[in-house]
Amino acid sequence: AQTVTQSQPEMSVQEAETVTLSCTYDTSENNYYLFWYKQPPSRQMILVIRQEAYKQQNATENRFSVNFQKAAKSFSLKISDSQLGDTAMYFCAFMKHKGGSEKLVFGKGTKLTVNP
Amino acid sequence: NAGVMQNPRHLVRRRGQEARLRCSPMKGHSHVYWYRQLPEEGLKFMVYLQKENIIDESGMPKERFSAEFPKEGPSILRIQQVVRGDSAAYFCASSPLLGQGPGEQYFGPGTRLTVT
Repeated sequence: AQTVTQSQPEMSVQEAETVTLSCTYDTSENNYYLFWYKQPPSRQMILVIRQEAYKQQNATENRFSVNFQKAAKSFSLKISDSQLGDTAMYFCAFMKHKGGSEKLVFGKGTKLTVNP
Repeated sequence: NAGVMQNPRHLVRRRGQEARLRCSPMKGHSHVYWYRQLPEEGLKFMVYLQKENIIDESGMPKERFSAEFPKEGPSILRIQQVVRGDSAAYFCASSPLLGQGPGEQYFGPGTRLTVT
């Protein structure tokens, strides 16, 4: 079974600074996908970024980028130029690639607070 | 294109009552997933359905919980004889049918169930 570990229950950062959230996972699969989801106080789950395991290039979405280390089974999220609206819970998630849609396995989350 | 709809947003039930949670997937999506989020926890997979079929119910408790996704109408998650431990946020996600690779899962706003 796959497991996802987020070792930082809470983090804080000053507005406009950069912050990195950690995620490690355990799997015997070779093909899979990794995701970061954001859950603001509204509780809506919002996809931030996704990474295909077969791609060596790290995914980037505007101010959000990942550092994907397949051998180390590490998938960290970097948020640059932090904004107050980035304050939320952030969940790392794993999905097997099975040729179709599969269930997501989530970590316990990191609560990020951006301070003015 | 409306997003994933869930209703009700909030549901209060007394112990022993039944709870019915509804999920209408995005237009054109034929895969539905249900997840449960306990307080201070990440989301946990419960069940994966396609129209009229349960594909994976490995995360569903064996008793009192059932799910369906009929040919017409929303997907329903039913919890019979609710207990306090069922209090949680229940999220539905949908994804499209794809030939290759996972369909991105789009989440609804969740139903917060409180058992008194």
